[in-house]
Amino acid sequence: EDKVVQSPLSLVVHEGDTVTLNCSYEVTNFRSLLWYKQEKKAPTFLFMLTSSGIEKKSGRLSSILDKKELSSILNITATQTGDSAIYLCAALHNTNAGKSTFGDGTTLTVKP
Amino acid sequence: GAVVSQHPSRVICKSGTSVKIECRSLDFQATTMFWYRQFPKQSLMLMATSNEGSKATYEQGVEKDKFLINHASLTLSTLTVTSAHPEDSSFYICSVWRGPRETQYFGPGTRLLVL
Repeated sequence: EDKVVQSPLSLVVHEGDTVTLNCSYEVTNFRSLLWYKQEKKAPTFLFMLTSSGIEKKSGRLSSILDKKELSSILNITATQTGDSAIYLCAALHNTNAGKSTFGDGTTLTVKP
Repeated sequence: GAVVSQHPSRVICKSGTSVKIECRSLDFQATTMFWYRQFPKQSLMLMATSNEGSKATYEQGVEKDKFLINHASLTLSTLTVTSAHPEDSSFYICSVWRGPRETQYFGPGTRLLVL
């Protein structure tokens, strides 16, 4: 059975802290790893990682995939209260284009 | 980028009624759309893959007769929750996958409350 596990499930930090969110996957026909941010409504896309060891960056967010360890991390530096959200990772399948298996998410709370 | 809309955004209905949720891809022709369900404080669970012009593919444990999916055109997929019960109350989200850009776009979601 395909499985995506995220840790920690929840995290509380103060503004300015750096956080690392983890995602591991066991998926047949794995293609890519996706990260999303979900606030009140539907998730918004952050990153897609297909190649191992290549870091992707967007502002204070960065992410990297380790295909040997079947895992990925999402880093957020200098956190702000606006970063408070649920961060979801999903494994994109190689079959049935666009089909994804989601992890349970990490709820990040950034306190002022 | 692709924009996905859903209608309605919120619906409250009585137990036993059927509810139809529409998902539209506004600027992209989507042969495939995905329907997810999300319970409070839980992750997105894929319910089914909606295929234009053919039958939907349902995930294990999802009742085909209860969650009817119709993908009649390249821009519209509908999910009908038949004979809804309180346990069907959830957040239903559709998405489209844009292959060339390799990006998934989600609709804003529909919050269903069955009384």
